[in-house]
Amino acid sequence: ETGVTQTPRHLVMGMTNKKSLKCEQHLGHNAMYWYKQSAKKPLELMFVYNFKEQTENNSVPSRFSPECPNSSHLFLHLHTLQPEDSALYLCASSRYTEKLFFGSGTQLSVL
Amino acid sequence: ELKVEQNPLFLSMQEGKNYTIYCNYSTTSDRLYWYRQDPGKSLESLFVLLSNGAVKQEGRLMASLDTKARLSTLHITAAVHDLSATYFCAVDLGTGTYKYIFGTGTRLKVLA
Repeated sequence: ETGVTQTPRHLVMGMTNKKSLKCEQHLGHNAMYWYKQSAKKPLELMFVYNFKEQTENNSVPSRFSPECPNSSHLFLHLHTLQPEDSALYLCASSRYTEKLFFGSGTQLSVL
Repeated sequence: ELKVEQNPLFLSMQEGKNYTIYCNYSTTSDRLYWYRQDPGKSLESLFVLLSNGAVKQEGRLMASLDTKARLSTLHITAAVHDLSATYFCAVDLGTGTYKYIFGTGTRLKVLA
Protein backbone atom coordinates (compact mmCIF):
# COMPACT_ATOMS: atom_id res chain seq x y z
CA GLU A 1 0.00 0.00 0.00
CA THR A 2 1.71 3.14 -1.22
CA GLY A 3 -0.91 5.55 0.03
CA VAL A 4 -1.65 6.70 -3.52
CA THR A 5 -4.62 5.01 -5.16
CA GLN A 6 -5.42 5.23 -8.87
CA THR A 7 -8.54 4.06 -10.68
CA PRO A 8 -9.18 2.45 -13.02
CA ARG A 9 -6.14 0.17 -13.40
CA HIS A 10 -6.92 -0.45 -17.05
CA LEU A 11 -8.92 1.59 -19.55
CA VAL A 12 -9.73 1.01 -23.19
CA MET A 13 -11.41 3.85 -25.01
CA GLY A 14 -12.28 4.91 -28.50
CA MET A 15 -11.04 8.14 -29.99
CA THR A 16 -14.42 9.82 -29.52
CA ASN A 17 -14.99 8.76 -25.91
CA LYS A 18 -14.72 10.86 -22.79
CA LYS A 19 -13.30 9.25 -19.68
CA SER A 20 -11.63 10.29 -16.45
CA LEU A 21 -8.74 8.95 -14.41
CA LYS A 22 -8.87 9.34 -10.65
CA CYS A 23 -6.10 9.60 -8.09
CA GLU A 24 -6.38 9.85 -4.32
CA GLN A 25 -3.61 10.17 -1.79
CA HIS A 26 -3.90 9.39 1.91
CA LEU A 27 -0.50 10.72 2.93
CA GLY A 28 -1.33 14.31 3.76
CA HIS A 29 0.86 15.58 0.95
CA ASN A 30 0.42 19.01 -0.59
CA ALA A 31 1.64 18.32 -4.14
CA MET A 32 0.17 15.99 -6.74
CA TYR A 33 1.42 15.08 -10.20
CA TRP A 34 0.45 13.39 -13.43
CA TYR A 35 3.18 11.58 -15.37
CA LYS A 36 2.94 9.73 -18.66
CA GLN A 37 5.05 6.61 -19.22
CA SER A 38 5.31 5.35 -22.80
CA ALA A 39 7.36 2.50 -24.09
CA LYS A 40 10.90 3.57 -24.99
CA LYS A 41 10.47 7.07 -23.56
CA PRO A 42 11.33 8.56 -20.19
CA LEU A 43 8.59 9.46 -17.78
CA GLU A 44 7.05 12.72 -18.96
CA LEU A 45 5.80 15.23 -16.43
CA MET A 46 2.36 16.44 -17.46
CA PHE A 47 0.85 18.49 -14.65
CA VAL A 48 1.70 19.57 -11.12
CA TYR A 49 -0.63 20.86 -8.44
CA ASN A 50 0.48 22.38 -5.18
CA PHE A 51 -2.23 22.93 -2.55
CA LYS A 52 -4.72 22.34 -5.39
CA GLU A 53 -3.31 25.14 -7.53
CA GLN A 54 -1.78 24.17 -10.87
CA THR A 55 1.90 25.08 -10.98
CA GLU A 56 3.00 23.22 -14.07
CA ASN A 57 1.49 22.37 -17.44
CA ASN A 58 4.21 20.80 -19.49
CA SER A 59 2.79 21.75 -22.90
CA VAL A 60 0.18 19.03 -22.68
CA PRO A 61 -2.48 18.94 -25.45
CA SER A 62 -5.88 20.27 -24.43
CA ARG A 63 -7.48 16.85 -24.91
CA PHE A 64 -6.02 16.17 -21.44
CA SER A 65 -7.73 18.25 -18.78
CA PRO A 66 -6.63 17.98 -15.15
CA GLU A 67 -8.72 18.81 -12.12
CA CYS A 68 -7.61 19.07 -8.51
CA PRO A 69 -10.55 19.83 -6.18
CA ASN A 70 -8.41 19.48 -3.04
CA SER A 71 -4.92 18.37 -2.02
CA SER A 72 -6.00 14.72 -1.74
CA HIS A 73 -7.71 14.21 -5.08
CA LEU A 74 -6.57 14.58 -8.65
CA PHE A 75 -8.38 13.80 -11.88
CA LEU A 76 -7.34 13.62 -15.50
CA HIS A 77 -10.22 14.09 -17.90
CA LEU A 78 -9.69 12.60 -21.33
CA HIS A 79 -11.52 13.40 -24.57
CA THR A 80 -10.92 12.81 -28.27
CA LEU A 81 -7.63 11.06 -27.60
CA GLN A 82 -5.31 9.73 -30.25
CA PRO A 83 -3.78 6.24 -30.47
CA GLU A 84 -0.38 7.71 -29.59
CA ASP A 85 -1.83 8.70 -26.22
CA SER A 86 -1.87 5.04 -25.23
CA ALA A 87 0.46 4.75 -22.25
CA LEU A 88 0.69 4.18 -18.53
CA TYR A 89 -0.51 7.25 -16.63
CA LEU A 90 1.00 7.60 -13.22
CA CYS A 91 -0.17 9.80 -10.39
CA ALA A 92 2.24 10.80 -7.66
CA SER A 93 2.24 12.97 -4.56
CA SER A 94 4.88 14.57 -2.39
CA ARG A 95 5.29 16.53 0.80
CA TYR A 96 6.69 19.75 -0.59
CA THR A 97 9.74 18.84 -2.71
CA GLU A 98 10.56 15.60 -1.00
CA LYS A 99 10.50 12.24 -2.77
CA LEU A 100 7.55 11.21 -4.88
CA PHE A 101 5.09 8.48 -3.92
CA PHE A 102 3.52 6.87 -6.95
CA GLY A 103 0.20 5.16 -7.51
CA SER A 104 -0.06 1.89 -9.42
CA GLY A 105 -0.99 3.68 -12.63
CA THR A 106 -3.72 3.44 -15.24
CA GLN A 107 -2.81 1.51 -18.38
CA LEU A 108 -4.67 3.35 -21.15
CA SER A 109 -5.30 1.99 -24.62
CA VAL A 110 -6.83 4.25 -27.26
CA LEU A 111 -8.36 2.44 -30.21
CA GLU B 1 16.20 22.22 -21.33
CA LEU B 2 17.20 19.80 -18.62
CA LYS B 3 18.34 16.41 -19.85
CA VAL B 4 18.82 13.40 -17.61
CA GLU B 5 20.64 10.52 -19.22
CA GLN B 6 21.28 7.10 -17.85
CA ASN B 7 23.63 4.44 -19.07
CA PRO B 8 23.49 1.72 -19.82
CA LEU B 9 19.87 1.46 -20.96
CA PHE B 10 19.95 -2.31 -20.66
CA LEU B 11 22.11 -4.41 -18.41
CA SER B 12 22.24 -8.16 -18.21
CA MET B 13 24.51 -9.53 -15.55
CA GLN B 14 25.29 -12.71 -13.71
CA GLU B 15 24.43 -13.22 -10.09
CA GLY B 16 27.31 -12.36 -7.82
CA LYS B 17 28.79 -9.71 -10.11
CA ASN B 18 29.20 -6.00 -9.45
CA TYR B 19 28.12 -3.21 -11.75
CA THR B 20 27.42 0.52 -11.81
CA ILE B 21 24.59 2.50 -13.41
CA TYR B 22 25.35 6.12 -14.29
CA CYS B 23 23.05 9.11 -14.29
CA ASN B 24 24.19 12.36 -15.89
CA TYR B 25 22.18 15.55 -15.85
CA SER B 26 22.62 18.81 -17.68
CA THR B 27 21.80 21.53 -15.18
CA THR B 28 22.61 22.49 -11.64
CA SER B 29 20.75 20.52 -9.02
CA ASP B 30 21.52 19.46 -5.47
CA ARG B 31 18.81 16.84 -5.25
CA LEU B 32 18.72 13.51 -6.97
CA TYR B 33 16.45 10.52 -6.48
CA TRP B 34 16.63 6.88 -7.45
CA TYR B 35 13.51 4.80 -8.06
CA ARG B 36 12.87 1.18 -8.87
CA GLN B 37 10.09 -0.16 -11.09
CA ASP B 38 9.23 -3.84 -11.29
CA PRO B 39 7.48 -5.07 -14.46
CA GLY B 40 3.82 -4.11 -14.45
CA LYS B 41 4.23 -2.18 -11.22
CA SER B 42 4.65 1.40 -10.18
CA LEU B 43 7.79 3.20 -9.05
CA GLU B 44 9.09 3.05 -5.53
CA SER B 45 11.68 5.32 -4.01
CA LEU B 46 15.11 3.86 -3.26
CA PHE B 47 17.37 6.77 -2.35
CA VAL B 48 17.26 10.51 -1.85
CA LEU B 49 20.58 12.32 -2.30
CA LEU B 50 20.48 15.91 -1.11
CA SER B 51 24.01 17.29 -1.33
CA ASN B 52 27.33 16.96 -3.05
CA GLY B 53 29.17 13.87 -1.87
CA ALA B 54 26.06 12.24 -0.46
CA VAL B 55 26.23 8.46 -0.28
CA LYS B 56 23.38 6.17 0.67
CA GLN B 57 23.39 2.39 0.96
CA GLU B 58 20.63 -0.18 1.28
CA GLY B 59 21.52 -3.83 1.05
CA ARG B 60 23.39 -4.50 -2.19
CA LEU B 61 22.70 -1.03 -3.61
CA MET B 62 24.72 2.09 -3.01
CA ALA B 63 24.02 5.49 -4.52
CA SER B 64 26.27 8.53 -4.65
CA LEU B 65 26.05 12.10 -5.92
CA ASP B 66 28.68 14.42 -7.37
CA THR B 67 26.93 17.72 -8.07
CA LYS B 68 30.03 19.31 -9.58
CA ALA B 69 30.27 16.60 -12.21
CA ARG B 70 26.44 16.44 -12.42
CA LEU B 71 26.70 12.72 -11.97
CA SER B 72 25.09 10.12 -9.78
CA THR B 73 25.93 6.45 -9.65
CA LEU B 74 24.00 3.42 -8.46
CA HIS B 75 26.38 0.62 -7.60
CA ILE B 76 25.22 -2.97 -7.39
CA THR B 77 27.29 -5.36 -5.29
CA ALA B 78 27.05 -9.14 -5.72
CA ALA B 79 23.83 -8.95 -7.70
CA VAL B 80 20.95 -11.32 -6.99
CA HIS B 81 17.94 -12.17 -9.16
CA ASP B 82 15.58 -10.11 -6.97
CA LEU B 83 17.32 -6.94 -8.12
CA SER B 84 15.99 -7.41 -11.65
CA ALA B 85 13.92 -4.28 -12.38
CA THR B 86 14.13 -0.94 -14.15
CA TYR B 87 16.00 1.77 -12.25
CA PHE B 88 15.33 5.46 -12.77
CA CYS B 89 17.15 8.50 -11.55
CA ALA B 90 15.30 11.79 -11.25
CA VAL B 91 16.53 15.34 -10.76
CA ASP B 92 14.73 18.05 -8.86
CA LEU B 93 15.00 21.38 -10.68
CA GLY B 94 15.03 23.35 -7.49
CA THR B 95 13.23 24.16 -4.32
CA GLY B 96 9.70 25.19 -4.96
CA THR B 97 9.47 24.20 -8.61
CA TYR B 98 7.95 20.76 -7.96
CA LYS B 99 9.50 19.69 -11.23
CA TYR B 100 11.16 16.27 -11.21
CA ILE B 101 12.74 15.18 -14.47
CA PHE B 102 13.36 11.48 -14.91
CA GLY B 103 16.15 9.70 -16.71
CA THR B 104 15.60 7.19 -19.46
CA GLY B 105 15.78 4.24 -17.09
CA THR B 106 18.13 1.27 -16.91
CA ARG B 107 16.56 -2.12 -17.33
CA LEU B 108 18.51 -4.59 -15.23
CA LYS B 109 18.26 -8.33 -15.64
CA VAL B 110 20.19 -10.53 -13.23
CA LEU B 111 20.72 -14.04 -14.50
CA ALA B 112 20.83 -16.94 -12.10
